[in-house]
Amino acid sequence: GQNIDQPTEMTATEGAIVQINCTYQTSGFNGLFWYQQHAGEAPTFLSYNVLDGLEEKGRFSSFLSRSKGYSYLLLKELQMKDSASYLCAAMDSNYQLIWGAGTKLIIKP
Amino acid sequence: DTAVSQTPKYLVTQMGNDKSIKCEQNLGHDTMYWYKQDSKKFLKIMFSYNNKELIINETVPNRFSPKSPDKAHLNLHINSLELGDSAVYFCASSPPSGWGSGANVLTFGAGSRLTVL
Repeated sequence: GQNIDQPTEMTATEGAIVQINCTYQTSGFNGLFWYQQHAGEAPTFLSYNVLDGLEEKGRFSSFLSRSKGYSYLLLKELQMKDSASYLCAAMDSNYQLIWGAGTKLIIKP
Repeated sequence: DTAVSQTPKYLVTQMGNDKSIKCEQNLGHDTMYWYKQDSKKFLKIMFSYNNKELIINETVPNRFSPKSPDKAHLNLHINSLELGDSAVYFCASSPPSGWGSGANVLTFGAGSRLTVL
């Protein structure tokens, strides 16, 4: 079956760095997405990886290893506004997104 | 201008009633979706339309009927509401495949929180 695993919740300190991991099993693979969802709001797109390696976008970076079925989202210089859920989603061979349940990130001062 | 707008934002209703949620996008996207996010926060695809044609219809009860009058609109009608239908319903859209690497990026509406009593 198709499956996405990510931690349910993580806590980090303002100004620090946090890495949110995601492992996936899909029928075929057409890329890995990360979305951010603040409480009570819509998910918003953060990153897309389809090739192995690290993609950097400001304070946020996303990494993919296709051979390991693994991705992570790295958040640097954490700010209070980064408190949100981070959703990992893998696209299968039919271009359908398989979603994880999200990782709730709590930032403490 | 709101890119993907859905109404109503909140909907409280009794079991057995029929209700609709409307969605409109002004991004020029070809594909629109309905997702259900339950209390455990999983996002589950319900339907996907491409240029008004149904392309994904996951295992949802036939009490749920999507309607796409044109490629900018995708409405969701739910008959005989049940307690288990309580969730947040998100509409989303994505660009045509010719838009390169951005083709599969979803833009979500703000969500419609449905509570069935």
